[in-house]
Amino acid sequence: DAKTTQPPSMDCAEGRAANLPCNHSTISGNEYVYWYRQIHSQGPQYIIHGLKNNETNEMASLIITEDRKSSTLILPHATLRDTAVYYCIVRVRTYNQGGKLIFGQGTELSVKP
Amino acid sequence: SAVISQKPSRDICQRGTSLTIQCQVDSQVTMMFWYRQQPGQSLTLIATANQGSEATYESGFVIDKFPISRPNLTFSTLTVSNMSPEDSSIYLCSVEDRPPGFNEQFFGPGTRLTVL
Repeated sequence: DAKTTQPPSMDCAEGRAANLPCNHSTISGNEYVYWYRQIHSQGPQYIIHGLKNNETNEMASLIITEDRKSSTLILPHATLRDTAVYYCIVRVRTYNQGGKLIFGQGTELSVKP
Repeated sequence: SAVISQKPSRDICQRGTSLTIQCQVDSQVTMMFWYRQQPGQSLTLIATANQGSEATYESGFVIDKFPISRPNLTFSTLTVSNMSPEDSSIYLCSVEDRPPGFNEQFFGPGTRLTVL
């Protein structure tokens, strides 16, 4: 599985968009980009995933560059409850295989009033 | 999404003893995973537990230290054997819903273990 690089920490003002970058320059054609977050002392929570198209759900948007070497997770209106460590993970996503998630160090996002 | 519970939620143990952590899911799942999160660190996969077969351990983890059972599609246990203070961590189970490798993993709340 390809490795990812994320900034160790970021701040964001409450109500503003939080843009969390991730570099995955060695990503393979069959690897998806996944984002999870871990709020203090809780289990990680799935946010979103994508292959090459931009994706949006009720929690966030995922923007993947055309060459797929980097991506950005966007929380459109950050709240204090979005303060967490955000993990960008790339992994193969095939039927009946996979499952292993390799966590890096993630980005610690602090949303401030 | 799957609802996962773990028991105990936390424990304080003496070195040399063993602790068995339970993971219960509210639906049948094919793949279950056990992770460790040491203080201030990210998550590290210990092993993959599939029903009806032996667990597959990641490099650096061995069955004698972390025996795993997976008796059915909704339950698994992880035992931390002969504990030392270095085993103080949060232990988390996760499950893969629907076809394995096809969708997101869901995580339990974790078991916070302190070894004295």
